[in-house]
This record gives sequence, structure tokens and C-alpha cells, in this order.
Amino acid sequence: GQNIDQPTEMTATEGAIVQINCTYQTSGFNGLFWYQQHAGEAPTFLSYNVLDGLEEKGRFSSFLSRSKGYSYLLLKELQMKDSASYLCAVRDSTKAGGYNKLIFGAGTRLAVHP
Amino acid sequence: DVKVTQSSRYLVKRTGEKVFLECVQDMDHENMFWYRQDPGLGLRLIYFSYDVKMKEKGDIPEGYSVSREKKERFSLILESASTNQTSMYLCASTLSYEQYFGPGTRLTVT
Repeated sequence: GQNIDQPTEMTATEGAIVQINCTYQTSGFNGLFWYQQHAGEAPTFLSYNVLDGLEEKGRFSSFLSRSKGYSYLLLKELQMKDSASYLCAVRDSTKAGGYNKLIFGAGTRLAVHP
Repeated sequence: DVKVTQSSRYLVKRTGEKVFLECVQDMDHENMFWYRQDPGLGLRLIYFSYDVKMKEKGDIPEGYSVSREKKERFSLILESASTNQTSMYLCASTLSYEQYFGPGTRLTVT
């Protein structure tokens, strides 16, 4: 079956570091995405990992281990505006119509407090 | 800047009504998607299209149909709306791997 797990909710303090984990079991794998979604808004792209290791982009970093079926999103120097849901999504390598489908986790709601 | 727009932000319909949700993208993307988003379930793919007049079922196509007559426009149709179709509907488009999402339509079926 196909399954993507991430914590439902997390809280953290402004200025701190938080790590949001994602584990996945899919029939195929062709990359993992992280999206940010503020309440009532569209998801926006944060990162894409296709090879093992850490990808750093400013205050946000994303890590992937394909052998463990595991990824995390690391947010540093947290700001109040980082309060949002963070969606983990796996690109399934099974092709339909020439396209790799995205399978989303339920999302992690992060609350940053002063 | 990629822009994906959806016809309505909020919509209230009655059970049994035919509902049209429209999505337009301005970046000449070939692939377009319709998802619904429900608390605790994440985004679930309803249908997608990889070219004009081409469509593929996603994970939850029952009760929905789609239309792609022009490259920039992808419509989601609820033939006979039911209360269990109350949800947030998100449209997305992509050229290669990153999906760009529209603002969403919150549909309530009463």
C-alpha cells in the first residue's frame, strides 16, 4: 500500500529550531516534496529531494534517506509567520499519462509562539 | 510568475445540483490536477490531465468528472452534488515536477 506519515501538530518557540519528520511507504519513488500552506491559502513549494542528503535553502533545510523511507524539514530561527501546515508529498514513479503522481501526507500544523 | 486561478473562493450548493469548478493557469503547463483537501486526510487526487482532451482518474474520481478543452483551463464537474462532497477543492498545474496551486474553492453542499 501507499502511506505517508507525519505528526499532526507541533508547537515551537520563536527563534528556535523545529524538525518535522515524514516517513513514507510507496510503490514507487521519484522524489519527495515539502510544501507550506498557511490557513485558507494555497500550498506553496518549499523543497524537492530526489537524492539522499541535506538540501539547504536559507532558514529551511530538507533531508532525505531513501533506504529508510524518511525525510525531515528543518526550520531554523523560527518566526511567527512560519505558523502554517507543512505537507510532505512523494512523487510516485508509477507513470500514468507520462506523469508521476504526487501522494500527500495529511500535513503537520506548526504553531510558533512568542 | 506562475498564476493559477480558480473561479470561486466560496460556493454553497444544494444536494443534487450540478456544480462546475473552473481552473485557469497562465504558464502553458501541460499537466493540470484537481485535489480535494479534508482535515486529517491531506490532499487527495481526484483527476488529472496531461494534455488537451486527455484525462486520467486519480485516487477518488467517483462522483466527479472533468473537462479540458483548452490547455489553460481544467474544469471539475460534480454531476449531482452530495453532502459528502463538501470540501476544499484545489487545482494545480505543472510543467515538470513542482506543482503550482490555485487559492482553492471551499464548497459547501447543503
